[in-house]
Amino acid sequence: DAKTTQPNSMESNEEEPVHLPCNHSTISGTDYIHWYRQLPSQGPEYVIHGLTSNVNNRMASLAIAEDRKSSTLILHRATLRDAAVYYCILRDRKNWGMNRDDKIIFGKGTRLHILP
Amino acid sequence: EPEVTQTPSHQVTQMGQEVILRCVPISNHLYFYWYRQILGQKVEFLVSFYNNEISEKSEIFDDQFSVERPDGSNFTLKIRSTKLEDSAMYFCASKRAPETLSYEQYFGPGTRLTVT
Repeated sequence: DAKTTQPNSMESNEEEPVHLPCNHSTISGTDYIHWYRQLPSQGPEYVIHGLTSNVNNRMASLAIAEDRKSSTLILHRATLRDAAVYYCILRDRKNWGMNRDDKIIFGKGTRLHILP
Repeated sequence: EPEVTQTPSHQVTQMGQEVILRCVPISNHLYFYWYRQILGQKVEFLVSFYNNEISEKSEIFDDQFSVERPDGSNFTLKIRSTKLEDSAMYFCASKRAPETLSYEQYFGPGTRLTVT
């Protein structure tokens, strides 16, 4: 899977929007952009994913640059519960459906601190 | 909301002993995974399992490791002779369907394994 680059840490104030950036300049045409997060002392949790168009769900929004070399996870109104490590992950769909290559390769992610 | 459960939450064992970590995946899921996270490090893939056999395994998953789905509900990870470096948080995950239909892996809360 192609590599992503994220800031080590970020801070944000409670009840304000948070924009978490991710660079993936070597992304291929078959890579999906996935975001997971890991709350303290918990397992990772799926947040959102997309291919080319911006995506929204109940947890967050994903804004994808037109050239797909970067993306931004947007938490619209951060709460203390959103303090976590956020992972931006590229997942190549080339081999999907063959019961292989569906593992998730986690990087170091961005540790998000929320200030009350 | 259905969730992946893991037992025990914390296991302490002596070097050289066998341990079995247990997971109950979400009931209608068909794909199962083990990951581990050494303290302060990335989450690492160990093994994926589908249709009662291993689909893929990492270099970490050597002959000391094995997985089993002994009945319709449990999914276990066995370490035959534990080493100090096996100390980590072990996460079980499950997924409903092939990657073409279901992208999201659901993670359990983890078992902290301490080898002394």
